[in-house]
Amino acid sequence: DVKVTQSSRYLVKRTGEKVFLECVQDMDHENMFWYRQDPGLGLRLIYFSYDVKMKEKGDIPEGYSVSREKKERFSLILESASTNQTSMYLCASYTPTGYYGYTFGSGTRLTVV
Amino acid sequence: AQSVTQLDSHVSVSEGTPVLLRCNYSSSYSPSLFWYVQHPNKGLQLLLKYTSAATLVKGINGFEAEFKKSETSFHLTKPSAHMSDAAEYFCVVSDGYGGATNKLIFGTGTLLAVQP
Repeated sequence: DVKVTQSSRYLVKRTGEKVFLECVQDMDHENMFWYRQDPGLGLRLIYFSYDVKMKEKGDIPEGYSVSREKKERFSLILESASTNQTSMYLCASYTPTGYYGYTFGSGTRLTVV
Repeated sequence: AQSVTQLDSHVSVSEGTPVLLRCNYSSSYSPSLFWYVQHPNKGLQLLLKYTSAATLVKGINGFEAEFKKSETSFHLTKPSAHMSDAAEYFCVVSDGYGGATNKLIFGTGTLLAVQP
């Protein structure tokens, strides 16, 4: 089975800190995604990447950046954390070949105080 | 642009009764549609997917969904609810043909409660 691992399950950070959320997948998938999940809003796409060093903005990229130096790792960066970035963050990977589906990590619940 | 609308934010059923979770989609071409489930404090799990094959799609745990192009709907059903079905359900459309830059667009979710 494809596995998508998010390094932290819970994080508490202070306003203004630079925050790194890490995601690693083990099946050589080309595409990786970062979503945030908020009650009543579903999941919203922050950034995605379809290859190493490639990135595309999603629907809500403001206040975030990403890094993909290796195919298996996709990092989400909060340049200066703010309280409105308190949320659940979900990473996913996908390949257009083979089984048509995404695999999600178990999520990182970030609280910014 | 593709979008999905989940018509109910909360649905409550009794154990053993049918489940209906409603979803309408908007797409400029034949979409790929999914239902995902998220149990409390768990990750997202794919229930089923429609990718232009049979219009009635069977998924895991007894769920199924029917793609109705004329109604632009993709409702999720189950004949008999079980307590373990209590979770949040997301209707999802894929923004693309399955190509390299496919993106998933999520509905806002339906919270299913199952009463004993």
